[in-house]
Amino acid sequence: QKEVEQNSGPLSVPEGAIASLNCTYSDRVSQSFFWYRQYSGKSPELIMSIYSNGDKEDGRFTAQLNKASQYVSLLIRDSQPSDSATYLCAVREGTALIFGKGTTLSVSS
Amino acid sequence: GAVVSQHPSRVICKSGTSVKIECRSLDFQATTMFWYRQFPKKSLMLMATSNEGSKATYEQGVEKDKFLINHASLTLSTLTVTSAHPEDSSFYICSASLGNEQFFGPGTRLTVL
Repeated sequence: QKEVEQNSGPLSVPEGAIASLNCTYSDRVSQSFFWYRQYSGKSPELIMSIYSNGDKEDGRFTAQLNKASQYVSLLIRDSQPSDSATYLCAVREGTALIFGKGTTLSVSS
Repeated sequence: GAVVSQHPSRVICKSGTSVKIECRSLDFQATTMFWYRQFPKKSLMLMATSNEGSKATYEQGVEKDKFLINHASLTLSTLTVTSAHPEDSSFYICSASLGNEQFFGPGTRLTVL
């Protein structure tokens, strides 16, 4: 059973801080990884995709991938209250995605 | 780009009726679309993979005769919940593949009375 694990949280950070979200996956041969943001009552929105070891930056978001350790993380710099949401880690398996259960982030002003 | 729409956004129906949900890729062609359901405060559960011009592939435990999927064109997939019951009440979300990424529709909230 291929799995994607996330700490459900909630992760609480003050406004302006760095939020660090982590994800581990079980399938060593996985090659494609994604972070989605889901606001309450809404559908997931793709934030970042990462395929190679190392860091990938996009604005305030940085995705980090370590295939040897089978983990992928998402850093959110200068966190804003509007970043409060559930963040879903997803790993591609064939044509489908396997999702983690998500980490709830709460940014306080 | 990569916009996916769903219709309707919300539907309330009586037990025993059938409900059709449409999923469209607005600015790209999607040979593969996916249907998920999500219960409150739970993660996404993949129901089926829909391929244009062929039968859908259902996940284990999902009744294909209850959740009918049709992917008639490269921009449209439909999910029909047949003989809906209160336990089918959920948030149904479709997604469409573009290259290596999946983009989600806004979801359809189904309430069966």
